[in-house]
Amino acid sequence: SQQGEEDPQALSIQEGENATMNCSYKTSINNLQWYRQNSGRGLVHLILIRSNEREKHSGRLRVTLDTSKKSSSLLITASRAADTASYFCATDPREGANNLFFGTGTRLTVIP
Amino acid sequence: DAGVIQSPRHEVTEMGQEVTLRCKPISGHNSLFWYRQTMMRGLELLIYFNNNVPIDDSGMPEDRFSAKMPNASFSTLKIQPSEPRDSAVYFCASTLTQGKPLYEQYFGPGTRLTVT
Repeated sequence: SQQGEEDPQALSIQEGENATMNCSYKTSINNLQWYRQNSGRGLVHLILIRSNEREKHSGRLRVTLDTSKKSSSLLITASRAADTASYFCATDPREGANNLFFGTGTRLTVIP
Repeated sequence: DAGVIQSPRHEVTEMGQEVTLRCKPISGHNSLFWYRQTMMRGLELLIYFNNNVPIDDSGMPEDRFSAKMPNASFSTLKIQPSEPRDSAVYFCASTLTQGKPLYEQYFGPGTRLTVT
């Protein structure tokens, strides 16, 4: 399967702390994307990092990509209760299908 | 733009009944995806269309599932007959595809299906 795997499956932190989620994948990619899903809602795109990029920032989000290890991390700094959600990575494989492959997700709970 | 629109938002039906889920993609997008999400299996791609043509339906569970896209602004996912194990949230997503690389997908709010 080309599906990514997120780690950990669940994460619980206090408000104000940083949250780090990891994603591993199996094939060469064009880019990797992170999505957020609030309970009962659809996924929302957060950030895209290209295969030739190593780090990208967007507000309180920091994404890293290590193509040699086929892994990525999403860091949310100074977390807020409103960051409570599930976070998914998705990969665009370099070869083959014109669809993204979504990971299994990390459930983040930020305790106020 | 109103985003991806799905209907109904909730559907409760009895086993054996036909269920039709509907999706209107974002105007200008040429790719449409149907996903199913459950606690046990996570997010699964069922089928996707490009320029109204089904490209990959290998994720469709069995012959009870069918999907159509008669035009660029409408798609349906039909389950006939429905079974309790079909209970899940079904998402539709769309994007503009112009070869590789692929860009972000825009998801609808989902249809929560319960089959009793």
